[in-house]
Amino acid sequence: KNEVEQSPQNLTAQEGEFITINCSYSVGISALHWLQQHPGGGIVSLFMLSSGKKKHGRLIATINIQEKHSSLHITASHPRDSAVYICAVCPYSGGGADGLTFGKGTHLIIQP
Amino acid sequence: SQTIHQWPATLVQPVGSPLSLECTVEGTSNPNLYWYRQAAGRGLQLLFYSVGIGQISSEVPQNLSASRPQDRQFILSSKKLLLSDSGFYLCAWRGDTWARGGNTIYFGEGSWLTVV
Repeated sequence: KNEVEQSPQNLTAQEGEFITINCSYSVGISALHWLQQHPGGGIVSLFMLSSGKKKHGRLIATINIQEKHSSLHITASHPRDSAVYICAVCPYSGGGADGLTFGKGTHLIIQP
Repeated sequence: SQTIHQWPATLVQPVGSPLSLECTVEGTSNPNLYWYRQAAGRGLQLLFYSVGIGQISSEVPQNLSASRPQDRQFILSSKKLLLSDSGFYLCAWRGDTWARGGNTIYFGEGSWLTVV
């Protein structure tokens, strides 16, 4: 059974701090997604990774396939970054039909 | 370009009433379609997925059902809602091949359901 573990579950930081959220998974995957959910809002896909590193604005996502681990970094954090960040993986086995396995999310609060 | 629409965005329903959430995809064909639910304080959970018209697979036994009457339409229903059905419901699609967006997943806007 594929398990996705995120850490930390909750994170409160000051504006401007460098933020790191971690995700570990237990089976081989074809892709890993980082998602963002604002309070009362929908879910937005931030990144889809299968290897290496991607950057979009102040957000950076990395993945180490051998170690089955990914990190999401936020540089110069801002209160508008406050949201739940969710890691989701698409396993090789049955991944084409049965969708993703989600982590429970990291609740991030950036205080001004 | 491909788009996905889900509605209604929010609804408040009494216990025992029926439910219908609808999701449609545009700009692709034969997508894999998914319904997820996020209950309060919990992660997203796969409820149903479909690889084609009339083909529904259920992941979690419950009083909900899904149907796919057309290639790009996915409906989540219930005949009688329970309090425990409250939550955030999310429709998603993924291409059936890598060339048709199979390497990523796209989400609808989500529907907030409160059963009272």
